[in-house]
Amino acid sequence: GAVVSQHPSWVICKSGTSVKIECRSLDFQATTMFWYRQFPKQSLMLMATSNEGSKATYEQGVEKDKFLINHASLTLSTLTVTSAHPEDSSFYICSAETGSYGYTFGSGTRLTVV
Amino acid sequence: AQTVTQSQPEMSVQEAETVTLSCTYDTSENNYYLFWYKQPPSRQMILVIRQEAYKQQNATENRFSVNFQKAAKSFSLKISDSQLGDTAMYFCAFMRNTGTASKLTFGTGTRLQVTL
Repeated sequence: GAVVSQHPSWVICKSGTSVKIECRSLDFQATTMFWYRQFPKQSLMLMATSNEGSKATYEQGVEKDKFLINHASLTLSTLTVTSAHPEDSSFYICSAETGSYGYTFGSGTRLTVV
Repeated sequence: AQTVTQSQPEMSVQEAETVTLSCTYDTSENNYYLFWYKQPPSRQMILVIRQEAYKQQNATENRFSVNFQKAAKSFSLKISDSQLGDTAMYFCAFMRNTGTASKLTFGTGTRLQVTL
């Protein structure tokens, strides 16, 4: 079946640095990918929708300059958290539409900013 | 805007028993999809079942079935013969049918514990 590989699975970074999270579709082409954020014991909140070759569409309240999304190819989308702060610590998950309105999710990235 | 409500934060069921998780949603759309996703402790999101709004027949996947009431905007999940491996967070989700990939709107989740 369709697989989305997300890396890293966890990362610790210092406050003020940037962190890049990658999502790759391994056996299909993902024209559209979605990036979600999940706080402990809470639901998934959509941050942005990335489309291959075009600018991402951000949800209201999400800082596009802080959360940079790049979808340069049909198999790779990246989320870069710039100038990270402790409040950016969270679980980030990507998702891709696999056709016929099916979605597959990456395994998530736990980001801790210290 | 669409909203999805799961009114049961936590539920518990004994192994081999049946449990029903509730979900209601609010939308003005007529063409949409509804999903139940499972998130075990590994936090990997796993699709449990999907329902197309234009289909009157309730979707079933082995031990999992839904009760889709379009007029009432209700979409409950029934898990039969519960197994320990069913222990997880369960999220109900809504997606507009726009003809292209569209975002999922998730409910707040129900934590299901299956006990011996």
